[in-house]
Amino acid sequence: DAGITQSPRHKVTETGTPVTLRCHQTENHRYMYWYRQDPGHGLRLIHYSYGVKDTDKGEVSDGYSVSRSKTEDFLLTLESATSSQTSVYFCAISGTGGVGNSPLHFGNGTRLTVT
Amino acid sequence: GENVEQHPSTLSVQEGDSAVIKCTYSDSASNYFPWYKQELGKGPQLIIDIRSNVGEKKDQRIAVTLNKTAKHFSLHITETQPEDSAVYFCAASTGTASKLTFGTGTRLQVTL
Repeated sequence: DAGITQSPRHKVTETGTPVTLRCHQTENHRYMYWYRQDPGHGLRLIHYSYGVKDTDKGEVSDGYSVSRSKTEDFLLTLESATSSQTSVYFCAISGTGGVGNSPLHFGNGTRLTVT
Repeated sequence: GENVEQHPSTLSVQEGDSAVIKCTYSDSASNYFPWYKQELGKGPQLIIDIRSNVGEKKDQRIAVTLNKTAKHFSLHITETQPEDSAVYFCAASTGTASKLTFGTGTRLQVTL
């Protein structure tokens, strides 16, 4: 397995509360990604990072923010959690050139439930 | 933007039989097509990929074929085993650093 650790693995939170998910990599890869996985939708990109402090939006970025202060850490924050954000969240990393040029390696996910 | 359709959504085969999963894509500029396998409770794992300058690629019991004209690509698993049971995702990319569009997944069950 690629050296990717996601924390926490499971979380239950209430509507309206902020939530932060953490991704830590030991591969020194430049590119890091946050996806969400929902039945019938496959995997959809939330945000990604192409370097320290360099981030950009994906296709489902509303309600989410990210930060990358170190190469190895990429944080995903739900500013005010809603029930529609109940999902499984995956962090992924990629080497030179990003997903279109290098394999994407995933962590084992965080299951988030918003009640 | 790119749209990737994947069929079937579920597939049940007997051990030893072959399994085929098909995907179509919409963006003719797509040039990289990976396949991922996801086991229960884990993240997707790359099992094979193909680039648009190649029509077929094999790795032991797994093969992927690409038809650029028709804009579809397929995963073939021969001599299926129970450990092949998982959800499989296809994906397509135009080669950018961020854009990898996934299909909706196929749940493969290999029965004894």
